[in-house]
Amino acid sequence: GQQVMQIPQYQHVQEGEDFTTYCNSSTTLSNIQWYKQRPGGHPVFLIQLVKSGEVKKQKRLTFQFGEAKKNSSLHITATQTTDVGTYFCAAGGQNFVFGPGTRLSVLP
Amino acid sequence: DSGVTQTPKHLITATGQRVTLRCSPRSGDLSVYWYQQSLDQGLQFLIQYYNGEERAKGNILERFSAQQFPDLHSELNLSSLELGDSALYFCASSVVGANSYEQYFGPGTRLTVT
Repeated sequence: GQQVMQIPQYQHVQEGEDFTTYCNSSTTLSNIQWYKQRPGGHPVFLIQLVKSGEVKKQKRLTFQFGEAKKNSSLHITATQTTDVGTYFCAAGGQNFVFGPGTRLSVLP
Repeated sequence: DSGVTQTPKHLITATGQRVTLRCSPRSGDLSVYWYQQSLDQGLQFLIQYYNGEERAKGNILERFSAQQFPDLHSELNLSSLELGDSALYFCASSVVGANSYEQYFGPGTRLTVT
């Protein structure tokens, strides 16, 4: 079945540093979504990417969908303590498949 | 607040028992998804319903079953519980059944099996 991998598994950064998480699929994706889960919270939808090579920005967050629609990335510029949490990518398709997530900690 | 409600918030039960988790989707959402999240783990997709019909099945054990009722609320039944079933169970809803629409997650039910 479809597999979605994410790297890194954990990332510790100093406040103000940049952060990137990568999502890779074994198959071509129809779309990809990103979610954020704060510690003790529930996943919250961030964005959906549909088109090959698509780039979307939300303030300090930049999302990219690869040209082959098999990978995606989330980049956070100048991290803040409010960015702490686990970031999941989720591949749309026959079944909805979440990646294992990247846990981000931000040191003040 | 996502608009998705789940009850109960916490549940503690013994091995071998059966429990029912309840989810009410956002107003207007026809699709309901169930996920299991074990401690420090990712989200495991269990099952999806759309307007009362089963739409997709993930890694759901035979001891687990679910249904979606005419009023669109959903229940997840877990039976013959084992210690390994202890986890956070999330319900999510979306506007339509296609997987291209964002999912809104409820606060989850934390199940502890002792």
